[in-house]
Amino acid sequence: KQEVTQIPAALSVPEGENLVLNCSFTDSAIYNLQWFRQDPGKGLTSLLLIQSSQREQTSGRLNASLDKSSGRSTLYIAASQPGDSATYLCAVTTDSWGKLQFGAGTQVVVTP
Amino acid sequence: ETGVTQSPTHLIKTRGQQVTLRCSSQSGHNTVSWYQQALGQGPQFIFQYYREEENGRGNFPPRFSGLQFPNYSSELNVNALELDDSALYLCASWTGGEQFFGPGTRLTVL
Repeated sequence: KQEVTQIPAALSVPEGENLVLNCSFTDSAIYNLQWFRQDPGKGLTSLLLIQSSQREQTSGRLNASLDKSSGRSTLYIAASQPGDSATYLCAVTTDSWGKLQFGAGTQVVVTP
Repeated sequence: ETGVTQSPTHLIKTRGQQVTLRCSSQSGHNTVSWYQQALGQGPQFIFQYYREEENGRGNFPPRFSGLQFPNYSSELNVNALELDDSALYLCASWTGGEQFFGPGTRLTVL
């Protein structure tokens, strides 16, 4: 059974510092991995999608890596800003129909 | 291209009642999934619909049921509400690749 874990559960950094968020999964047979952002009480905003054949994806200040063999993904956010404060969730799909299995998320606070 | 929308935004019900939540998928997306997110947890997969047929179900009882319509919009119905059904309900539309989520419906069961 696939399990997705995100550590730490919460993180506080000063503005300008780089953020490193970790995601691990127990079954390496994934189709893809997606990172999401969630503001309090809101829906999910897709940040990056990494296909199982890819090693990383980049979008602006965001970079996500994927190491399928070790069951890990890391989301890097460069030069953090207070607006980056949110909960970040990773999710994997283990079938071709895109059904997502989520971690519990990492709550990030960026202090000015 | 319109995004995923959900209605209502918030809902308060009492135990034993029934509720219907609605989702309009992103234009052209023929697959809709529903998720339940309890406070402080990641979303849990409820079920998925593809072209009006259920296409997979998570570990949820039969009192959670759904529909998808020809325009790919969808409903989630929950019967005999329990206190533990209080959660944020999210729908996601997909046609391969990236998934797009709606803003969610916050359901409170008293």
